[in-house]
Amino acid sequence: QQPVQSPQAVILREGEDAVINCSSSKALYSVHWYRQKHGEAPVFLMILLKGGEQKGHDKISASFNEKKQQSSLYLTASQLSYSGTYFCGTEGAAGNKLTFGGGTRVLVKP
Amino acid sequence: DAGITQSPRHKVTETGTPVTLRCHQTENHRYMYWYRQDPGHGLRLIHYSYGVKDTDKGEVSDGYSVSRSKTEDFLLTLESATSSQTSVYFCAISEGQEGFRQFFGPGTRLTVL
Repeated sequence: QQPVQSPQAVILREGEDAVINCSSSKALYSVHWYRQKHGEAPVFLMILLKGGEQKGHDKISASFNEKKQQSSLYLTASQLSYSGTYFCGTEGAAGNKLTFGGGTRVLVKP
Repeated sequence: DAGITQSPRHKVTETGTPVTLRCHQTENHRYMYWYRQDPGHGLRLIHYSYGVKDTDKGEVSDGYSVSRSKTEDFLLTLESATSSQTSVYFCAISEGQEGFRQFFGPGTRLTVL
């Protein structure tokens, strides 16, 4: 079953913060985060493994709560380049394949 | 950037015709995947491969078949295209190790009239 992402869309001003949530109904082994710019392919941001620590990529970080089967992506001091659609991909016990959420559209304005 | 190419990049075809999309990698990665992307649905897995001649179904496999006769090539075939298969198709590759990440190809935009 597809993980649920929220919010579906968010508009930010440069420098503002945002949180994107990803929730699954199944037990998870890992959570991946990808960003897709319009007309381009998704690009890997980070992966959070079961039992692992919070990850960071510049001012974008993420956490993974295994018990709640949830992950959150934190956009801190957003930049114009952060605009795009963010997808979480969840990996269950079967491994090596992901189920992606519906995406969160982020628009950062000057 | 990972060496992944997809061909064709754009295709328009008619209902009922067969269509084959090709994904080619130069990374020698074990795992290859085909996804379709439609508005509001994110990326949905069609089929994937975990080695030469080893493939398995994803969540939206009906109407699609795949083949992998060489490590570097993964083909997706629509035996008889339908309008509901109009979509953007992405291929992805992965080493398949723990903490694997997927690298995506540039995509193929397919329109079935």
